[in-house]
Amino acid sequence: DTAVSQTPKYLVTQMGNDKSIKCEQNLGHDTMYWYKQDSKKFLKIMFSYNNKELIINETVPNRFSPKSPDKAHLNLHINSLELGDSAVYFCASSQGWGGTEAFFGQGTRLTVV
Amino acid sequence: GNSVTQMEGPVTLSEEAFLTINCTYTATGYPSLFWYVQYPGEGLQLLLKATKADDKGSNKGFEATYRKETTSFHLEKGSVQVSDSAVYFCALYGGSQGNLIFGKGTKLSVKP
Repeated sequence: DTAVSQTPKYLVTQMGNDKSIKCEQNLGHDTMYWYKQDSKKFLKIMFSYNNKELIINETVPNRFSPKSPDKAHLNLHINSLELGDSAVYFCASSQGWGGTEAFFGQGTRLTVV
Repeated sequence: GNSVTQMEGPVTLSEEAFLTINCTYTATGYPSLFWYVQYPGEGLQLLLKATKADDKGSNKGFEATYRKETTSFHLEKGSVQVSDSAVYFCALYGGSQGNLIFGKGTKLSVKP
């Protein structure tokens, strides 16, 4: 059983489109995250979500929005995609805010053409 | 705020060579420290962790010791294998979102 699963693994789309990436965790964790990894492998936090409390990295454009239908899911919606959004997006989960190990999904490689 | 500084790569070694990847941190208090590994085309996996000063984390032949006096958490392995080729990330908690803060990653390539 995959602990944190993301779909799709690859996503190629045109500029201006709207897309979603899904994330599910079966670990019973109460906190989920979205990270963006750029071409130089640098990992940047985008969102943290815990018990319906969302914390947004203020540098993330508002075209990005997380949606959590329940504690086990945190989906990422992106509107009006731009070339600069091309990156690998990772979902992760942990128990509680900080301190404990975070488990990562396999990543979604988004390519905007 | 908390931060992590990690040696820049890439690091290229021959099989069975000794590996050290340096990591130093700046933190309020004494947060848990982590090393994650990312194999090509995959997500991040926890390699090892240490939760308090002087703790040694170890896994798969890798070790790192939480050094409060030097604010360091260097990763070491006595004899690397080709299968260890990956990107290694040092991390700690302390972001404004209660999130992990990562170093920039060090790419390791091991040649046979």
